[in-house]
Amino acid sequence: KQEVTQIPAALSVPEGENLVLNCSFTDSAIYNLQWFRQDPGKGLTSLLLIQSSQREQTSGRLNASLDKSSGRSTLYIAASQPGDSATYLCAVYSNYQLIWGAGTKLIIKP
Amino acid sequence: ETGVTQSPTHLIKTRGQQVTLRCSSQSGHNTVSWYQQALGQGPQFIFQYYREEENGRGNFPPRFSGLQFPNYSSELNVNALELDDSALYLCASSPTPLTALEEKLFFGSGTQLSVL
Repeated sequence: KQEVTQIPAALSVPEGENLVLNCSFTDSAIYNLQWFRQDPGKGLTSLLLIQSSQREQTSGRLNASLDKSSGRSTLYIAASQPGDSATYLCAVYSNYQLIWGAGTKLIIKP
Repeated sequence: ETGVTQSPTHLIKTRGQQVTLRCSSQSGHNTVSWYQQALGQGPQFIFQYYREEENGRGNFPPRFSGLQFPNYSSELNVNALELDDSALYLCASSPTPLTALEEKLFFGSGTQLSVL
């Protein structure tokens, strides 16, 4: 059974810092891995999608990596801004469904 | 703006009642999936519909059922509501089930259901 874990559950850093969010999964048989952002009272916004054959994807200040063999993915956020404050969730597409971690609540202090 | 809209945004029901949640997908998106997100947790897959047929289901009892219509709208129905059904319900759409493997999913803002 696929399980997805995100550490830490919460993170608070000063504005301008670079930071890394972690995601791990138990079964390497995945189609893809996605990172999402969720703002309070709002739905989910897909940030980056990494196919199982890829090792990383970049979008602006965001970079996501994937290591299937070790069951790990990281989301790197460069030069953090207060507007980056949100909950970040990772999800793996496995057995024709998305399986999600519980998320990391990120607070960027001005 | 994802083009996926859900209604209502908030709903309060009593245990034992029935509820219908609605989702309007992007035009051309024949696949819709529904998720339940309890407070402080990641979403849980309920089921997926493709061209009006259920083609995948998570670990949810039969009292969770759905419908998909030709006009890209869909419904999630929950019978005999329980307190633990209180959650944010999200729908997501994609052109096809295979597209969902290769492209980002578009989510609605969700319906917050409270069962008292």
